[in-house]
Amino acid sequence: DAKTTQPNSMESNEEEPVHLPCNHSTISGTDYIHWYRQLPSQGPEYVIHGLTSNVNNRMASLAIAEDRKSSTLILHRATLRDAAVYYCIPWGGSNFGNEKLTFGTGTRLTIIP
Amino acid sequence: NAGVMQNPRHLVRRRGQEARLRCSPMKGHSHVYWYRQLPEEGLKFMVYLQKENIIDESGMPKERFSAEFPKEGPSILRIQQVVRGDSAAYFCASSTGTGVYGYTFGSGTRLTVV
Repeated sequence: DAKTTQPNSMESNEEEPVHLPCNHSTISGTDYIHWYRQLPSQGPEYVIHGLTSNVNNRMASLAIAEDRKSSTLILHRATLRDAAVYYCIPWGGSNFGNEKLTFGTGTRLTIIP
Repeated sequence: NAGVMQNPRHLVRRRGQEARLRCSPMKGHSHVYWYRQLPEEGLKFMVYLQKENIIDESGMPKERFSAEFPKEGPSILRIQQVVRGDSAAYFCASSTGTGVYGYTFGSGTRLTVV
């Protein structure tokens, strides 16, 4: 499994953009970069994933470095409901014989009202 | 279109009793995964099952823990002779098995051993 490095914690003001970084310098060429988040007392929730190009969905944007050794999850306008632990997970998926998602310690995001 | 359903949400067992945790995957999902989260710790993979088969149980404790996913019905995680150290949140996830689109998680079962 590729090793990831994320800040233990971050704070952001409500309604401000948030940039959550992740280093995954040992990522393999076939691994997608997945982001999940876990709200308090909830199961993890899929946020977004990408391979090489930047990706947008209704929840967030994902910016992937050209060398794929790092990525940044962008929440464009944080709300109190975005307070959670965010996990960056390089993952090949079953097509590549690597089924299980492996969670690291993630980044605990606190939103300040 | 219900998501992954886990029950019960909360389970209290005395030391030495058995705990049975149930997980119904999303409709159309045939792959189930169980994770454990100890208090103030991260999510740890336990076992991956497809219908009637255990694919990867590398994260399962060697004793007292077992899992199944029968042809009909939910997946069951069974913990025999529970001890206080088994107190944790147990999460189930499911997927289609095509991989790229990730897992859908349930809300978990919080097991407390008294």
